[in-house]
Amino acid sequence: NAGVTQTPKFQVLKTGQSMTLQCAQDMNHNSMYWYRQDPGMGLRLIYYSASEGTTDKGEVPNGYNVSRLNKREFSLRLESAAPSQTSVYFCASSEGEEYFGPGTRLTVT
Amino acid sequence: AQSVTQPDIHITVSEGASLELRCNYSYGATPYLFWYVQSPGQGLQLLLKYFSGDTLVQGIKGFEAEFKRSQSSFNLRKPSVHWSDAAEYFCAVEGSNDYKLSFGAGTTVTVRA
Repeated sequence: NAGVTQTPKFQVLKTGQSMTLQCAQDMNHNSMYWYRQDPGMGLRLIYYSASEGTTDKGEVPNGYNVSRLNKREFSLRLESAAPSQTSVYFCASSEGEEYFGPGTRLTVT
Repeated sequence: AQSVTQPDIHITVSEGASLELRCNYSYGATPYLFWYVQSPGQGLQLLLKYFSGDTLVQGIKGFEAEFKRSQSSFNLRKPSVHWSDAAEYFCAVEGSNDYKLSFGAGTTVTVRA
């Protein structure tokens, strides 16, 4: 089992560019999540998906969109990147406890 | 909505000394509680969790945590730290009727020789 995988590992964007962060899990979990991690703020939930076909906003959804493509995959899209979105992004999946991916370090200049 | 407070931003301990990290939560009912560890540049690894039952929970790497409902706390302890325990530790709470985790801001642990 690979667990939770994320691509890319690193990304640099210019303000206004768009990109999609990919996440996949092979544990057959129903729930999947996207978090951002910023210094001194812990992890904050951006969006989550309790099951295939459903998505809900978390604490900090503005500027992001998500797609639960199927049970395995949950992508996060930045339509027009802003410097405030510079962060480390973690995907997680859960069936009682959450398993985290290795993270994507995103810099927006 | 649930929330978590980790009062200590940074703790320094000597190798071999005991460690206690504090966590207080706010939630109206019985929460699900978790401790995660994050080494530099890595993702989060689950140390232990509390759902119900025995309030003293054993985890991996020699860690344990105690749920105290009266104090709304879930403090993490280790009797004797190793240099490899230097990392950032996060407490998290999940409501028993939703799917969302709320994290504390984290406590960074430095281990000195």
